[in-house]
Amino acid sequence: QSALTQPASVSGSPGQSITISCTGTSSDVGGYNSVSWYQQHPGKAPKLMIFDVTKRPSGTSNRFSGSKSGNTASLTIAGLQAEDEADYHCSSYTSSSTYVFGTGTKVTVL
Amino acid sequence: QVQLQESGPGLVKPSQTLSLTCSVSGGSIRSDSYYWSWIRQLPGKGLEWIVYMYHSGYTHYNPTLKSRVSTSVDTSKNQFSLKVTSVTAADTAMYYCARIDRGWFDPWGQGTLVIVSS
Repeated sequence: QSALTQPASVSGSPGQSITISCTGTSSDVGGYNSVSWYQQHPGKAPKLMIFDVTKRPSGTSNRFSGSKSGNTASLTIAGLQAEDEADYHCSSYTSSSTYVFGTGTKVTVL
Repeated sequence: QVQLQESGPGLVKPSQTLSLTCSVSGGSIRSDSYYWSWIRQLPGKGLEWIVYMYHSGYTHYNPTLKSRVSTSVDTSKNQFSLKVTSVTAADTAMYYCARIDRGWFDPWGQGTLVIVSS
């Protein structure tokens, strides 16, 4: 199975908004609402930030929001802060009853 | 709150079998609400889903790894395990265990680095 496609890097200045895309197919992202996003700081385990495309777990800042259009899901970080600098990974359930992750995006706060 | 902890050898020789265990605390692996999963991250790369399993033994594998991967669940110890056979340097990675809750991975273990080298 092929990894979902994410941009390798996205950057923004403090206070700005950035959006990370996650492109799959109708067999994964486009076919299911089981899209989730994970934040990973260097040397740390991934942390759930968004599930079911748009939902935030308790404790996740409301500066993080998710959306989906067709085969592409997106994570938007509003009011970018230094602590948001990390790697971000998307994931989707698939029609083969498997899971697939994205290629990962490094977010840099300028 | 549920916590997961990976354990196993950090160094495995090429062609041998990689064996890891994930210990679950703060909750039961026998819960009907969750699946249990292994994910790995090759150095400097993205995440790769390996397998998920149910406490009953039902298992679903990543097709690209299926021929070399096996799993087990020990409900008496609240643990689940991963074996990868015939390892090569390409299997060098950080290995994570995680709980799957209705389609998302949460929580995750801290990860364990496995290096394949002679």
